[in-house]
Amino acid sequence: QKEVEQNSGPLSVPEGAIASLNCTYSDRVSQSFFWYRQYSGKSPELIMSIYSNGDKEDGRFTAQLNKASQYVSLLIRDSQPSDSATYLCAVNKDQGAQKLVFGQGTRLTINP
Amino acid sequence: GAGVSQSPSNKVTEKGKDVELRCDPISGHTALYWYRQSLGQGLEFLIYFQGNSAPDKSGLPSDRFSAERTGGSVSTLTIQRTQQEDSAVYLCASSLFLAGSGSTDTQYFGPGTRLTVL
Repeated sequence: QKEVEQNSGPLSVPEGAIASLNCTYSDRVSQSFFWYRQYSGKSPELIMSIYSNGDKEDGRFTAQLNKASQYVSLLIRDSQPSDSATYLCAVNKDQGAQKLVFGQGTRLTINP
Repeated sequence: GAGVSQSPSNKVTEKGKDVELRCDPISGHTALYWYRQSLGQGLEFLIYFQGNSAPDKSGLPSDRFSAERTGGSVSTLTIQRTQQEDSAVYLCASSLFLAGSGSTDTQYFGPGTRLTVL
């Protein structure tokens, strides 16, 4: 079992709809959770972080964390073609050092 | 301000040769990380430096891989006797170290070095 698992996709969503990206993790003591966006040929950029159970909203993005189910998700509302990218889920297992464990990423395509 | 920079952006080498990859972190960031990303895969942690502490080398895949960080700033990742399976994009990231909590802040990534071993 991989430590952080994501559906590799591709996930196709029509423009204006809600894109839902999911991630599960195996280490129950994981403390911090991140979503990075990576455009093709570019480096990852942080879009959301979440540390406690529940929802965290930032503009069109909402991160959801359920530690009991070891599940974290990212919702993108009003999807735009510019949201087309690979979304990487990352989990911090260690106290102190932010040594992130990444999933393989989900490729998202927003269709105009 | 200036972000994380890496050089070279692309490196093609022959199997068995040694390569050096350079990372220049954001000024003031004391934490520095190296990751490897193979085609279509997520990021694989390689090594972590924080200030003058001993680096966390737990992600280095073999003893052919080594890294150093001079003067708490620039870092060099060295791969000796390269193999074809070493072909990947090598990403460097840096972050602030939050002394109060003993943790690090958001990691900012450089543009990466694409290594191709023929």
